[in-house]
Amino acid sequence: DTAVSQTPKYLVTQMGNDKSIKCEQNLGHDTMYWYKQDSKKFLKIMFSYNNKELIINETVPNRFSPKSPDKAHLNLHINSLELGDSAVYFCASSQGGVLINEQFFGPGTRLTVL
Amino acid sequence: DQQVKQNSPSLSVQEGRISILNCDYTNSMFDYFLWYKKYPAEGPTFLISISSIKDKNEDGRFTVFLNKSAKHLSLHIVPSQPGDSAVYFCAAYSAGGTSYGKLTFGQGTILTVHP
Repeated sequence: DTAVSQTPKYLVTQMGNDKSIKCEQNLGHDTMYWYKQDSKKFLKIMFSYNNKELIINETVPNRFSPKSPDKAHLNLHINSLELGDSAVYFCASSQGGVLINEQFFGPGTRLTVL
Repeated sequence: DQQVKQNSPSLSVQEGRISILNCDYTNSMFDYFLWYKKYPAEGPTFLISISSIKDKNEDGRFTVFLNKSAKHLSLHIVPSQPGDSAVYFCAAYSAGGTSYGKLTFGQGTILTVHP
């Protein structure tokens, strides 16, 4: 009965490959997020979707494309992977709105690009 | 330019004592602040929050203090327990504009509580 789940947990791949990370939440939330935690440990938001609509799109290379087939899922597809993409990627969800609400995070996906 | 900073990478405390984790921010538009706790191989979990209209919020052993003039907040854990050993992230948010839950995080402080 995991609230926010991500697959895979670990991903090791070669430069230039295309990969996807999947995220699902069973909390009934209407807002989902992708964060990147880099080598300096900062958690930085990449994207946010509210009711399947993109609402936050930070300065992220076009190689990163989020896809939300429904409110419960937000997948992250990365094309032409680069060494600098190596990081831990966290998915999160919240009951959205103008006022901030607690975000629930998934366990993270550690991506290693060789 | 990092708008939320946690300048202490780590903190070591004896069980039963007080743990004080600090956080500074530069953006005066931030009006809501949160603390998250993270164990290894897990995602961050929400701990406690404070609105800028308050200067203190308490929840059990956890208290967050906000000093708006100094753009500084702190998390106090009393008494500290070994199970509190984790990475603590400070996060800030501005309710103005159209930022739906856009949190800005600090880089975290590793807290170790020794038995």
